[in-house]
Amino acid sequence: QVQLKESGPVLVQASETLSLTCTVSGFSLTNYGVIWVRQPPGKGLEWMGIIWRNGNTDYNSALKSRLSINRDTSKSQVFLKMNSLQTDDTAIYYCTRSWDYWGQGVMVTVSS
Amino acid sequence: DVVLTQTPPTLSATIGQSVSISCRSSQSLLHSNGNTYLHWLLQRPGQSPQLLIYLVSRLESGVPNRFSGSGSGTDFTLKISGVEAEDLGVYYCVQGTHAPWTFGGGTKLELK
Repeated sequence: QVQLKESGPVLVQASETLSLTCTVSGFSLTNYGVIWVRQPPGKGLEWMGIIWRNGNTDYNSALKSRLSINRDTSKSQVFLKMNSLQTDDTAIYYCTRSWDYWGQGVMVTVSS
Repeated sequence: DVVLTQTPPTLSATIGQSVSISCRSSQSLLHSNGNTYLHWLLQRPGQSPQLLIYLVSRLESGVPNRFSGSGSGTDFTLKISGVEAEDLGVYYCVQGTHAPWTFGGGTKLELK
């Protein structure tokens, strides 16, 4: 069945780089896009970006200078990297397959 | 960026009551390809969001048919015909017509 699972560090220091992995199963990354969404504690959802099934990417303009999304189709993995982290980047980070399937999310805390 | 305004921010309902949530966009969400990329998600407490309705009115597989979506252009509505206890949580509309994709602020459905 379709599954997505986020993994990565739960604590990151301010000014450092966040690296998260979304490992998928039950579908091919060449057939579906994968979206990254984040949610600060107690707040709403924010779209971060997408890697399309053809490998092209689109990013939230507010994050574009700090964010990159890549993938390894042979490993069924999508990678998020965001640099120059600040405390307001503290959030649950989710990956989703075009909204219909979601990972459980990973809570990332940025410490000053 | 497209702003999605959801009303009301909080909704109190009794079991069996029918309720509606409005999502108004600052721009038309009709894409040049003829699709309208407006979707509805439910986030239950402590869980990842789940897709309820996609492309304005299409019911996601496995979602009860008491959920329905309607609208066009800039005005959209999610209706729940007979609230059940499992429907409690925060509802979000999200648009994928204009980059960056954006979410509404959310509507929290509570039991009265």
